[in-house]
Amino acid sequence: EIVLTQSPVTLSLSPGQRATLSCRASQSVSSYLAWYQQKPGQAPRLLIYDASNRATGIPARFSGSGSGTDFTLTISSLEPEDFAVYYCQQRSNWPLTFGGGTKVEIK
Amino acid sequence: EVQLVESGGGLVQPGGSLRLSCAASGFTFSSYSMNWVRQAPGKGLEWVSYISSSSSTIYYADSVKGRFTISRDNAKNSLYLQMNSLRDEDTAVYYCSKDAGSSSSGWHDSWGQGSLVTVSS
Repeated sequence: EIVLTQSPVTLSLSPGQRATLSCRASQSVSSYLAWYQQKPGQAPRLLIYDASNRATGIPARFSGSGSGTDFTLTISSLEPEDFAVYYCQQRSNWPLTFGGGTKVEIK
Repeated sequence: EVQLVESGGGLVQPGGSLRLSCAASGFTFSSYSMNWVRQAPGKGLEWVSYISSSSSTIYYADSVKGRFTISRDNAKNSLYLQMNSLRDEDTAVYYCSKDAGSSSSGWHDSWGQGSLVTVSS
């Protein structure tokens, strides 16, 4: 099973600041990595797939990069609605696995 | 608009059974793979099971293999999860999710609102 490790666990930032979230895989997943956003009481929402492709309707301030074992989700300028928990997920091998999540909170 | 509506959750005793359903609308259900993903209270996401569009390919997480059965009825636009021999650690919100591509991309682009399953005596 591929283990995804996300860091940091919590990121405290102010609106307008840049957020950089990391996801590291225990073995190469090529570019088969996605990012999801989840707000309290809501289902997750797909943000990025195949490491760097924005899903439909996702604002351009969200960007993804990386390949192999190291991936980054960047939010260029945090909006109030961006404070949430973010998960990475790989589809390189079964079982599909998710990272433990990074909570982006208001400082 | 894609809609996924789960039902069938509730309180069940350890060792008991429960069947979750997911009613799909707004897309050609028979063309897409589907998944169940769960989230224990205050915890992260855990993939549970996958079924291809024609039901020809099915996968399970090791944690539920042999106890849970995924199925679908394309005529009824519905996805199911039969859960047997339930354990305390199965307590979670269960989401059904739609695959993002018609050729099984592995990404989840639409999710239901979730159905809470509580296993407790």
